[in-house]
Parts: sequence; C-alpha cells; structure tokens
Amino acid sequence: NAGVTQTPKFQVLKTGQSMTLQCAQDMNHEYMSWYRQDPGMGLRLIHYSVGAGITDQGEVPNGYNVSRSTTEDFPLRLLSAAPSQTSVYFCASSRSGTQPQHFGDGTRLSIL
Amino acid sequence: DQQVKQNSPSLSVQEGRISILNCDYTNSMFDYFLWYKKYPAEGPTFLISISSIKDKNEDGRFTVFLNKSAKHLSLHIVPSQPGDSAVYFCAASDNFNKFYFGSGTKLNVKP
Repeated sequence: NAGVTQTPKFQVLKTGQSMTLQCAQDMNHEYMSWYRQDPGMGLRLIHYSVGAGITDQGEVPNGYNVSRSTTEDFPLRLLSAAPSQTSVYFCASSRSGTQPQHFGDGTRLSIL
Repeated sequence: DQQVKQNSPSLSVQEGRISILNCDYTNSMFDYFLWYKKYPAEGPTFLISISSIKDKNEDGRFTVFLNKSAKHLSLHIVPSQPGDSAVYFCAASDNFNKFYFGSGTKLNVKP
C-alpha cells in the first residue's frame, strides 16, 4: 500500500517555466489537497478537491491550476514559475474532509 | 493574517516529563481541530483530533484540550519520549474542506 505518492521529490526551475507536480493515492480517497510549506508560515492550502471533477481554491491559489479527472490523481500545475513559488509542496488525501489527511513526503521546488 | 497561531517555535523537555504544545486561533467558526507530527524530509502524520463539542480527547500518551472561550487548544504528551522529537502542527477547519495550519512547534525531547 503506497499511500500518497508525490513526484518528483526535487525540482529546479527557471522563472517563467511551467511544470506539473504529480500526486497519486491508492486508498480510494475522495478528498485531496495541495499545500505549500514556507519557513515560519506552516502549511497553506493551495487547492482542494472533494471528488473527481470537483476542485476549489484554498488560501493561496494564485499561480496554480489543478484538475481531478480521476479519484486517484490530483496534479498541481505551475503556469509560469516565479521565485516566490520556491517552497516545499505537500499533497494529502482523506476519505472525506471529516477524516484526518494522509500526506505525501513532499516535493522541494526551487525557482531561480 | 494567520488564523491559527503557534507562538512557540521550539520546546525542549526531558525524557519522561510532560510536553505541552499550545495553539491559538482567531476564527470562532472553527469546529474541528487536529494535531499532526512531522519528521524531517517526511510529510506530516496525523496524531489526534477534537471537535468543538468536546473539550478533551485522549489517545494513549497524547491528550488534546480545547478551550473554546479562549480560542485555545493544547497538546499534552505524557510521558515524553526521544522519539517524540519532531515538529508539531495544529490545524483547524470550519467546513471540513479548508484546513488552516499553524507555523509549527519543534519539540526536542532530551534523553
């Protein structure tokens, strides 16, 4: 049972490049979410999804896009990377919003 | 402005003693609270939760207390063990869709 799998683990981008952070879970969870963790800020919610085809914005959605075409996958897209998006990104899932979330091990993203 | 605050960035306690981690929130609509533990290079893992209809929840060595009037919750770890050394995050939600996290408290349990 892999749980929540995030790829890649590390990535360096140049300003203006685009990329997709992958997140997959094998627990048939309906709820999935993306967070970023910055020093002194804790985890901040970027986008979340309560099921396939349904997504909504979190606390800091600007500069990011998501889609949820399957229950298993919830990719996060950076449209035009900016240095302010340098962060550690965590994906999480749970059976529903009333259940605790399972987190992946994170993607460390640096934008030069 | 952060709606969930952990004002102590770090805490150091002796093995076997009690660890008390604190968390304050500003949104009175929050009704579901959780604590997560995080080791370096790993994602957070769930520890314990509490809903606003309760003021205390226990799970083994871990107890969470909720004071709604003060908008304050705390996590007690008794007895503390070296393996408890990690960063602890509190989180809160008012609708079970959006979760707000504090900035974390790094706990160091000394042998």
